[in-house]
Amino acid sequence: GAVVSQHPSRVICKSGTSVKIECRSLDFQATTMFWYRQFPKKSLMLMATSNEGSKATYEQGVEKDKFLINHASLTLSTLTVTSAHPEDSSFYICSARPGNTEAFFGQGTRLTVV
Amino acid sequence: GIQVEQSPPDLILQEGANSTLRCNFSDSVNNLQWFHQNPWGQLINLFYIPSGTKQNGRLSATTVATERYSLLYISSSQTTDSGVYFCACSQGGKLIFGQGTELSVKP
Repeated sequence: GAVVSQHPSRVICKSGTSVKIECRSLDFQATTMFWYRQFPKKSLMLMATSNEGSKATYEQGVEKDKFLINHASLTLSTLTVTSAHPEDSSFYICSARPGNTEAFFGQGTRLTVV
Repeated sequence: GIQVEQSPPDLILQEGANSTLRCNFSDSVNNLQWFHQNPWGQLINLFYIPSGTKQNGRLSATTVATERYSLLYISSSQTTDSGVYFCACSQGGKLIFGQGTELSVKP
């Protein structure tokens, strides 16, 4: 299957700082990528759709200014958590689809804000 | 939007037993996938199955699109099958996840 790579896998940051998470499609081009958030023992919640060359589409209730998404190329989308607070601590995971078939997911990023 | 419900929420099995996990969805879909989330959080693709039946080793899946449900069968379960199983559906590009079934296989 296709490969989606996410970096870093784990990050600890101080309150008030910003953290950038990268999502790359390694063997295919992706005009669209998706960002999810998962709380412990919970399901994956879609945060936003990342669109190459245009603005991201955010799901209801997701703060655009808190979670900045940039999709600068056909193989890279980034999620920046700005002015992070402890409540932003979570597992963030991205996905992409080669063509119009199944989605593949990155390894995920475990963010801890202290 | 589309609603995805999974059952049961939790399942405990003895090694060697068989199990069936169910996924109900509220509207027609063009994509349905089953995933296994490992202890490190990685989502492992099990099946892409918007309709029909597929088999891969001890696992198989069936989706009856007209009745809006999908089933994941695990036969001769092993302790390594433990973890959370998710069903996810989409009408367009974005996948919506069910709440998952947490499976624990005891030796």
